[in-house]
Amino acid sequence: EAQVTQNPRYLITVTGKKLTVTCSQNMNHEYMSWYRQDPGLGLRQIYYSMNVEVTDKGDVPEGYKVSRKEKRNFPLILESPSPNQTSLYFCASSLFWAENSNQPQHFGDGTRLSIL
Amino acid sequence: SQQGEEDPQALSIQEGENATMNCSYKTSINNLQWYRQNSGRGLVHLILIRSNEREKHSGRLRVTLDTSKKSSSLLITASRAADTASYFCASLHTGGFKTIFGAGTRLFVKA
Repeated sequence: EAQVTQNPRYLITVTGKKLTVTCSQNMNHEYMSWYRQDPGLGLRQIYYSMNVEVTDKGDVPEGYKVSRKEKRNFPLILESPSPNQTSLYFCASSLFWAENSNQPQHFGDGTRLSIL
Repeated sequence: SQQGEEDPQALSIQEGENATMNCSYKTSINNLQWYRQNSGRGLVHLILIRSNEREKHSGRLRVTLDTSKKSSSLLITASRAADTASYFCASLHTGGFKTIFGAGTRLFVKA
């Protein structure tokens, strides 16, 4: 089954304790992206990657890191989490490009992070 | 912030009525997509319209795009209680391929 898998689904942790949220897709998609969703703000893009070893900042990259060493995986790293990073996080992927960017994004089920 | 805007923020209608949601964005785009989300779950893609298209249909969905006004609308015809969800537009921007989402419209369809 084609899917985007995020882990963990839920995490409660404390300020400053490094954490990683994993994202994996089995559709051989080039484009992957991380979003955070906060009430009343919709989804905001954190980072995206257009292929292996190619990443770029989205709208709200501060406090986050990503890596894309393999095509299927795109982990989101919070080196020193703070309470303002408490949010619902989504990973997404899509078939890419370069001339045809007209592909829908497939979303994971989300990771709910609480930073105390 | 580059975040797109959607209106209305919330919409409550009776089953069988049509629902229209509007979306605006700020810079040049490759395409605009509409997604649906049920209760904080993952987003599901509904329909995509390219920057050189003006209207697109898929089942009960009709999407329009006006690039001169940087706006799009989603029409759901003959709504059903099962259409109750949040709807988001997402624009894929040129020159960097960022994706910008609107804040969403919460649709409630009363049976």
